[in-house]
Amino acid sequence: DIQMTQSPSSLSASVGDRVSITCRASQDISNSLAWFQQKPGKAPKSLIYAASSLQSGVPSKFSGSGSATEFTLTISSLQPEDFATYYCQQYSTYPLTFGGGTKVEIK
Amino acid sequence: EVQLVESGGGLVQPGGSLRLSCAASGFTFSDHYMDWVRQAPGKGLEWVGRSRNKANSYTTKYAASVKGRFTISRDDSQNLLYLQMNSLKSEDTAVYYCARDHPYYSDVWGKGTTVIVSS
Repeated sequence: DIQMTQSPSSLSASVGDRVSITCRASQDISNSLAWFQQKPGKAPKSLIYAASSLQSGVPSKFSGSGSATEFTLTISSLQPEDFATYYCQQYSTYPLTFGGGTKVEIK
Repeated sequence: EVQLVESGGGLVQPGGSLRLSCAASGFTFSDHYMDWVRQAPGKGLEWVGRSRNKANSYTTKYAASVKGRFTISRDDSQNLLYLQMNSLKSEDTAVYYCARDHPYYSDVWGKGTTVIVSS
């Protein structure tokens, strides 16, 4: 199975900060990577697919980059509604696998 | 509006069975692969399995943790996705989400249904 490792597992940031989350795959997944946002008690929400394509309706402050084994999700200017847990997922190979999540908290 | 609504969750004893349903609306269900994803209390997301569409013979894929115990099926005439769960264990306790694939990543998620496996 492909292991997905996210870092950091949590971070504290202030409103207006630029934050980046890294996701590493244990083998080459090309650009078959998605990012999701999840707020407490809610279902995940799709943000990014194909490593860097923005899901329809998602604000452009979210961006994704990377390929092969290293990927990054960046939020350009953190807003109160962005405090949540973020997950990456590879869909290159079965079984599909998620990273462990990164919790973004208010400083 | 594209919508997925899960149902069928509840409390079940270890070794028991449960069938979850996911009702889809607002899109052509038969065109899409569909996934089940679960989340144990306080834990991360775990992919459970996938149903491909009719064009791909409705083939299914499963996580190793559920293979042989869980079965995914669908009724395209009713826009329904199912997850039959047998031989349930305490570690199957989770919120179960269904998700639409577009085409290989999950772009729309339901709100989830809770399964508790406990005596």
